Amino acid sequence: DADVTQTPRNRITKTGKRIMLECSQTKGHDRMYWYRQDPGLGLRLIYYSFDVKDINKGEISDGYSVSRQAQAKFSLSLESAIPNQTALYFCATGSRSEQYFGPGTRLTVT
Amino acid sequence: AQRVTQPEKLLSVFKGAPVELKCNYSYSGSPELFWYVQYSRQRLQLLLRHISRESIKGFTADLNKGETSFHLKKPFAQEEDSAMYYCALAPRSGGYQKVTFGTGTKLQVIP
Repeated sequence: DADVTQTPRNRITKTGKRIMLECSQTKGHDRMYWYRQDPGLGLRLIYYSFDVKDINKGEISDGYSVSRQAQAKFSLSLESAIPNQTALYFCATGSRSEQYFGPGTRLTVT
Repeated sequence: AQRVTQPEKLLSVFKGAPVELKCNYSYSGSPELFWYVQYSRQRLQLLLRHISRESIKGFTADLNKGETSFHLKKPFAQEEDSAMYYCALAPRSGGYQKVTFGTGTKLQVIP
C-alpha cells in the first residue's frame, strides 16, 4: 500500500547541513503530520497541518520547519542538522482521528 | 494536557500464553483511544480503536474510564504478534487535532 510515501528512505548528512524530507499522499486527506521516533521515547509530533494554509507546531518543533506545498505534499526541513536529530522520521495523514503512516525516513547526522 | 503512559518497554511471553499490554491515559475531556502496531521493517498501522469494540487478529481492548486505562489483550500469543505496540489518544474536542502516542511496548513472543 503506497498511499503515503516518503523520500528519501535513508539519509546520512553532516552537522550543519540543510536537509529536506518529503512526504506525498494519495489518500485525499487534508491533515498531514510529521513525527520523529526515538528508542524509549516513542513518537513525538514535530508539526501538523490541516490544510495548505494551516501549519501548527507540535511538541518538538525547534530546529525544524515545514512546507505544505499542496494538499498531497508536506515536507520537513532541518535548517542546520545536528547529531541529536538522528532519528526515524514518519509522515502521516489523517482522517479525523485515524492516522495513516508512511514507511519512514532514517536520518543520521554525523 | 493529554498524556499516554505505557509502563512496559518490553514484554516477553511464550507462544500460547496470554498477553496484556498496558496503557493508561490522562485527559480531562472525552478521548478516543487507539492501538497502533509496527511490525519489523513495516510502517505503523492501526490495530484497533475503542469505539469500534472489535477484535482484530485476536486482540481486544476495553476502555475503562474509571481507571483511565485501555489495555490491549490477547488470550493466546502467536509468534507473528511480535512487534512494537503504541497506544494513542485523540481528543474529541477541537476535532481530534493532536494525537498523542505512548512510548511504545515491544512484544516478544518466544516460540
